[in-house]
Amino acid sequence: AQSVTQLDSQVPVFEEAPVELRCNYSSSVSVYLFWYVQYPNQGLQLLLKYLSGSTLVKGINGFEAEFNKSQTSFHLRKPSVHISDTAEYFCAVTLYNNNDMRFGAGTRLTVKP
Amino acid sequence: NAGVTQTPKFRVLKTGQSMTLLCAQDMNHEYMYWYRQDPGMGLRLIHYSVGEGTTAKGEVPDGYNVSRLKKQNFLLGLESAAPSQTSVYFCASKGVSGKAYNEQFFGPGTRLTVL
Repeated sequence: AQSVTQLDSQVPVFEEAPVELRCNYSSSVSVYLFWYVQYPNQGLQLLLKYLSGSTLVKGINGFEAEFNKSQTSFHLRKPSVHISDTAEYFCAVTLYNNNDMRFGAGTRLTVKP
Repeated sequence: NAGVTQTPKFRVLKTGQSMTLLCAQDMNHEYMYWYRQDPGMGLRLIHYSVGEGTTAKGEVPDGYNVSRLKKQNFLLGLESAAPSQTSVYFCASKGVSGKAYNEQFFGPGTRLTVL
């Protein structure tokens, strides 16, 4: 089965600084990739997804991610973070022909003033 | 549209008690899912359904049962609750076409404590 590793459990960063949240996946077949955000005491909200086509994917709130097939990575980036970006971020993967979505353990992003 | 709703929002059970969590979606989605979220483990799939009357096991199905009698509802049952089932439970649904293809929409969660 496919699996996801988020390399950092916590990422502290100052406001207006750039940030990268790292995600690696393992699968022997083609995949779909996702980033979700979870604000405190809420459900998950989709930030962006890669299904096919351009490897650079732009999402909501100024986030983007790049699919790198050779490195099996899908890192999330934002050039300048805001206090309101403080949340937990989850990377997820599904196989092309599978309904089973696997999530990483999450990265808690804390933006400091 | 309410999207995905979950009932109840909070619940405390004693070991051995039973309960049912209700998930409802108004987006006419085919697929529905139940996940549990535990600290440091992300979300893990319990059971899912690809259509009315069908269910399948996910990654951690033991101790849970599900039913999908109506397309818009997906029920998660705990027959005999155990402290290991203390968790936050999320329901999600997914469409099969359109702009939101392959995107799962999540409910707000149910926080369950088993004493």
